[in-house]
Amino acid sequence: QVQLVQSGAEVKKPGASVKVSCKASGYTFTGYYIFWVRQAPGQGLEWMGWINPNSGGTNYAQKFQGWVTMTRDTSITTAYMELTSLTSDATAVYYCARGETAGYSSTWLYHWGQGTLVTVSS
Amino acid sequence: EIVLTQSPGTLSLSPGERATLSCRASQSVSNIKFAWYQQKVGQAPRVLIYAASSRATGIPDRFSGSGSGTDFTLTISRLEPEDFAVYYCHQYGSPPYTFGQGTKLEIK
Repeated sequence: QVQLVQSGAEVKKPGASVKVSCKASGYTFTGYYIFWVRQAPGQGLEWMGWINPNSGGTNYAQKFQGWVTMTRDTSITTAYMELTSLTSDATAVYYCARGETAGYSSTWLYHWGQGTLVTVSS
Repeated sequence: EIVLTQSPGTLSLSPGERATLSCRASQSVSNIKFAWYQQKVGQAPRVLIYAASSRATGIPDRFSGSGSGTDFTLTISRLEPEDFAVYYCHQYGSPPYTFGQGTKLEIK
């Protein structure tokens, strides 16, 4: 069965960087886009962007351009999301999710990781 | 960017009642690339509806979606206790793909 398992919670100081991993299993990793969505405490869902695991191509929401980088390592079927220059506003749960339609970015999200809480605090 | 506005912000109903949740888009959503998600506290979202009206695998038939263009609706025909949660609409037709701010469905 399809599984997305994310790395554990992180506590970071302002100005630091964080890299969250998303280990995929149960399907052909390069066949489906991986999306990242975040949720600040008590707030709604915010779409951050996607990565095409086959090509490595990315698309970031404008809000995150310049301080998010999405990458992947196909040899270990893992996607990564790195945020730099963290501020307290980055405190949130970060989810990875798999697009449902193979090979397309324009698709809904059926499979989700469990979420990774990133806390930014001095 | 397509802004999705959900209404109401909070909906208070009793089990057995019918729930109607709305989502309005600031621009037409292309090819009805529109979904609804349910999220319970401490859990990841779960897709209920995709392509505006198609039920995702394993979703009970009391959930239904409708709409096109800029106006979309999620209907829960007869509320069960497990349906009380937060619901989000989502458009995946035009990047950046966006979510609505959520509707909290609470027990009256």
